[in-house]
Amino acid sequence: AQSVTQLGSHVSVSEGALVLLRCNYSSSVPPYLFWYVQYPNQGLQLLLKYTSAATLVKGINGFEAEFKKSETSFHLTKPSAHMSDAAEYFCAVSEAGNQFYFGTGTSLTVIP
Amino acid sequence: EPEVTQTPSHQVTQMGQEVILRCVPISNHLYFYWYRQILGQKVEFLVSFYNNEISEKSEIFDDQFSVERPDGSNFTLKIRSTKLEDSAMYFCASSSLGTAFSGANVLTFGAGSRLTVL
Repeated sequence: AQSVTQLGSHVSVSEGALVLLRCNYSSSVPPYLFWYVQYPNQGLQLLLKYTSAATLVKGINGFEAEFKKSETSFHLTKPSAHMSDAAEYFCAVSEAGNQFYFGTGTSLTVIP
Repeated sequence: EPEVTQTPSHQVTQMGQEVILRCVPISNHLYFYWYRQILGQKVEFLVSFYNNEISEKSEIFDDQFSVERPDGSNFTLKIRSTKLEDSAMYFCASSSLGTAFSGANVLTFGAGSRLTVL
């Protein structure tokens, strides 16, 4: 069975500070992992994906995530937060493509 | 950039009423999906649709739910007799690939339709 756990439903960081959003997964086979972002009143937008190539994945808007099999983690980071990064972030896992299993989401607040 | 559009953005209905949520997927996509998110909970898979039939559905997708692609562009989710617990944000998504081609399938989501059942 696949599942995703996002630690911390709300994260606040100061503008310019490091952003770290945590995601742990469980999967019986090598997973495909995704981070999606949802800005207010918009759909879920793909930030980045892990597809068993490089373990460090770079996405849009300066975000990146590292796949760590030993820790079953896929944490999302950004070196310097910007006000425009304030949004809801969802981690998702997929084994066979069609079904995505999402975490509960993490709301990121950026403090000026 | 191509996008998935959903209507209505918000619908309020009385318990027991029928609701139809509409989606226009990206034009060259072949796979269509509905997900929902109850407030404060995970985004949950409901159903996937390919070649005019359901390819996969979750246990949430019971007989009260149905999907249809009535023409070449729309993809609809119908809830036959709404219950209070159907109140949620419903997301439509589409993709160009399915499991036959790639496990790293990327879904493009719409902005969602918020359903409130009173």
